[in-house]
This record gives sequence, C-alpha cells and structure tokens, in this order.
Amino acid sequence: GESVGLHLPTLSVQEGDNSIINCAYSNSASDYFIWYKQESGKGPQFIIDIRSNMDKRQGQRVTVLLNKTVKHLSLQIAATQPGDSAVYFCAEDGNQFYFGTGTSLTVIP
Amino acid sequence: KAGVTQTPRYLIKTRGQQVTLSCSPISGHRSVSWYQQTPGQGLQFLFEYFSETQRNKGNFPGRFSGRQFSNSRSEMNVSTLELGDSALYLCASSAQTSGRGEQYFGPGTRLTVT
Repeated sequence: GESVGLHLPTLSVQEGDNSIINCAYSNSASDYFIWYKQESGKGPQFIIDIRSNMDKRQGQRVTVLLNKTVKHLSLQIAATQPGDSAVYFCAEDGNQFYFGTGTSLTVIP
Repeated sequence: KAGVTQTPRYLIKTRGQQVTLSCSPISGHRSVSWYQQTPGQGLQFLFEYFSETQRNKGNFPGRFSGRQFSNSRSEMNVSTLELGDSALYLCASSAQTSGRGEQYFGPGTRLTVT
C-alpha cells in the first residue's frame, strides 16, 4: 500500500520574534534530553541538552525547559533568524534513544 | 577535528541484495550509534556500539546488523533488502563512556531499494 508520511507540526515565525517548539516524551525513566536541528540534506545537529535533575538550561539564544511532571520538553529560540529554519527534534535517552517526530520551523524574513 | 563521515553517501540496490554502510566517528569517540530516517517513521534507533561491543539495540529485524572495529569505525549491514528499507541511514558518535551523551551525526547514507 501507499506509505503515509509523518505529518510534521509546522511553526512559522517572523524574523526577530521568539520561537517555542514543544515536545512530549514517553519514558519517565529517561534521564537525558537533547534538542537537534536538521537542515535539508544534512544529519541532525546538536543544539542543547538537559539532564533530568534540571528544569531549565540556557545556551546561546536557546533555552530548554523540562517539565517531568507532564513529560514535556520545550525549546525556546530568541530573536529567530532565517538560518534557524529547519526541522527540530527532541530526543530522550533512557535505555534506548528515541527521537520525536520533529517540528518544521520556517522563519519569515 | 574532522566530523563523522559516512560512505557511500548514496546507494541504489535491488530487492534481495545486501548492503554494507560505513561510518568513521570523530577521532577519540568510542560510541557509535546508527539510525534509520524515513518520512513514514521518522528517526529510529537501530543499535549502538561501544568498544567493539553492541551496547543497545532497537526494534529492527535480524536482517539489520552491525559491528565496530578496534579503531571505532563501524559498519552496518542489511541483508535481503526490502523496498521499505529505503531510507537515510545516519551514524552518530559520542565521546561519552556511559550512555550516549552529546552525539555528533554524519551526513547519512541515502539508500534506495528498487
């Protein structure tokens, strides 16, 4: 039969605005979480990570928030730029490494 | 420092054949993981090797196998190829000795099965 592609959530933001990308994870035993950025034709690129003993971590223009109560992870990108346009994946590392389905971010100049 | 390299970058095979993909990790990294990326299933974990030993394995059939050499280079093999094996195969390396930690991905090998 015909394969059905994943319907990626999409987010469009104006250049200079802040972006928030959300992710729900499944394994309450996961103790390490990572956000990746994947541009067309390239492998995923590490953005920022957070361990389960933290609820917030900041990098350069990016912040990751972890809410273990509801198993939710978010990535905030400040002052979004056209170069931020990509698919963003969250990943959880427990016994195995699971990627979320991804969110496609488009930055409008 | 050179990044993760994967060869070949593109490959076309026919059903029933087998294929071997190669991955060279970042120098000094001993953990190598393999992933399959398809539009239908997204990114899925295949297996991880550390110091020549398979440390974790995803939920893929036995047709998918891998190995790691003493220099940390890794290969994965898919036997009896099926159309559904068409995908981007990604390799990632990590310096972490416990768990995977921060992984660095290669550009992938695009496999097309006809």
